[in-house]
Amino acid sequence: QVQLQESGPGLVKPSETLSLTCTVSGGSVSSGSYYWSWIRQSPGKGLEWIGHIYYSGETNYNPSLKSRVTISVDTSKNHFSLKLTSVTAADTAVYYCARLTGSFDYWGQGALVTVAS
Amino acid sequence: QSVLTQPPSVSGAPGQRVTISCTGSSSNIGSGYDVHWYQQLPGTAPKLLIYGNRNRPSGVPDRFSGSKSGTSASLAISGLQAEDEADYYCQSYDSSLSGYVFGTGTKVTVL
Repeated sequence: QVQLQESGPGLVKPSETLSLTCTVSGGSVSSGSYYWSWIRQSPGKGLEWIGHIYYSGETNYNPSLKSRVTISVDTSKNHFSLKLTSVTAADTAVYYCARLTGSFDYWGQGALVTVAS
Repeated sequence: QSVLTQPPSVSGAPGQRVTISCTGSSSNIGSGYDVHWYQQLPGTAPKLLIYGNRNRPSGVPDRFSGSKSGTSASLAISGLQAEDEADYYCQSYDSSLSGYVFGTGTKVTVL
């Protein structure tokens, strides 16, 4: 059974960089069958796809966030990471990592990140 | 930016059947991209409920069914149970945005 677990600071100051890591267990980020994704959900709002990465390092980002987002993968540690720069209060959300096969079939439990000074 | 539109809420009595619509456009559902559905119970992560328009992952009760036609898709819940009270989201791919999109979400209330 594949499991994903987000980790990282729960509080980030405005204008700084949000950094999260997703550790995968029960499966490998090096599998050529999947993409590895980040999705967020603002308080009381819907879901927003942020982007995804393939084990080779190929990425695809949401155009609305592309200028501020970087997703990377570390196959030796079996994890992938999210960096979002120049954050504002609008970036406050629960951030989920998920495995993408066309659908998002496995999700982490989510990490709440609050942007505040 | 939700390009897939769902009704904000639907409700039904236990045992009834409810349906949730997901309306897209020619750049997503209408282009033939698959629609997937997720159930989000309060305070938890979304869970894949239907994939590839009408397929249920192992463990999902057959009370849940999906369909797709033209630029829209639907999720039906038959024999509604109290445990089905949750938020439901559709999801597809959009070629204009070159990315994955989610529906606006529907809250199901069991009366």
